[in-house]
Amino acid sequence: DTEVTQTPKHLVMGMTNKKSLKCEQHMGHRAMYWYKQKAKKPPELMFVYSYEKLSINESVPSRFSPECPNSSLLNLHLHALQPEDSALYLCASSQEEQGQPQHFGDGTRLSIL
Amino acid sequence: LAKTTQPISMDSYEGQEVNITCSHNNIATNDYITWYQQFPSQGPRFIIQGYKTKVTNEVASLFIPADRKSSTLSLPRVSLSDTAVYYCLLINLNTGFQKLVFGTGTRLLVSP
Repeated sequence: DTEVTQTPKHLVMGMTNKKSLKCEQHMGHRAMYWYKQKAKKPPELMFVYSYEKLSINESVPSRFSPECPNSSLLNLHLHALQPEDSALYLCASSQEEQGQPQHFGDGTRLSIL
Repeated sequence: LAKTTQPISMDSYEGQEVNITCSHNNIATNDYITWYQQFPSQGPRFIIQGYKTKVTNEVASLFIPADRKSSTLSLPRVSLSDTAVYYCLLINLNTGFQKLVFGTGTRLLVSP
């Protein structure tokens, strides 16, 4: 079991659908992250939130829209995705103090039809 | 671009010690060497982190030579459940949150 909870675990959606991925942690971490991982590839950073403000956007297409409603929650809103967006989406969190490791959830496996 | 280089894959047998090397020739003064483990269909898990010499915890040991241009993750007496991908990363501890850049990782297969 992980301390970062992601829902849903699996999601299948069409290219015209709108859906959201959710991530929750109750460790008091003030930094939260979204990563994308394609099969047999390493995770790639998408977004970083620090104290509920977007700090890093790694040039992610606007069809991915992150949101951090409070310090425990992180959402990723999806709209008009493409088949190549099918991947494992990982959420992570960490303390803001230097050197603290990131804690990852087990991800949402997303399939775009 | 990832700043580390690791073997793509390694094979071992249960009960053996496994050493995974990582090359980081351009490591910066403020970089710490950090290892994560990832099982299939799970998120990465932090294993160990060090700056120089040797670090040991209940899971692994990390050996770092004086020039810090490489490091070795040592897993004592591996079991089948150690089959996973192991990532070596460099993390600059000058910032609060960490921008992790994963390399290709080493896919370890432990056989009976």
